[in-house]
Amino acid sequence: GQSLEQPSEVTAVEGAIVQINCTYQTSGFYGLSWYQQHDGGAPTFLSYNALDGLEETGRFSSFLSRSDSYGYLLLQELQMKDSASYFCAQEGSSYKLIFGSGTRLLVRP
Amino acid sequence: DAGITQSPRHKVTETGTPVTLRCHQTENHRYMYWYRQDPGHGLRLIHYSYGVKDTDKGEVSDGYSVSRSKTEDFLLTLESATSSQTSVYFCAISETAGTNQNIQYFGAGTRLSVL
Repeated sequence: GQSLEQPSEVTAVEGAIVQINCTYQTSGFYGLSWYQQHDGGAPTFLSYNALDGLEETGRFSSFLSRSDSYGYLLLQELQMKDSASYFCAQEGSSYKLIFGSGTRLLVRP
Repeated sequence: DAGITQSPRHKVTETGTPVTLRCHQTENHRYMYWYRQDPGHGLRLIHYSYGVKDTDKGEVSDGYSVSRSKTEDFLLTLESATSSQTSVYFCAISETAGTNQNIQYFGAGTRLSVL
């Protein structure tokens, strides 16, 4: 089946920039999404890329390279509230999303 | 926030008993999904629906069934609960699935413990 690879954990300092990478399988690829989930909470949509390039939404940006089957989420000016888990998700040829296992981001003072 | 309500929010049950989880939406979205979330596995799709009475299996559908008799409700049933089904269950809805931008909105989750 399809699977996505992302680091299990990342640590960064408040105010810094952090990049969370995601590699995916190319079969039936339509786009790559990113979701944020705080402990005990529900996942919430952050960003989506269907085409190569950078999508910017405030402090968060997402990048996609279809030729490399690779994307990343970039978080700038990190804040303590950004400590959460971040999931990449691949949209395939059906109505489904396949999620990665998530990257736990810890922001330190 | 998208109008999605999951019930119950917490449930403890015994092995072998049937359990039904409910997802109710007020957004009139066509697509609805059930996921389970376990440590180290992210979100795994159990079943999904693309319309009333139209459902299909996800990657971890064994031991689960679903029903959708009206647009707003999507029920997940564990026919005979096992300890391996102890998990957090999330319902999600989407109106944009199939348009190359499948944005999903999630309910608050149901924490199920099977003893």
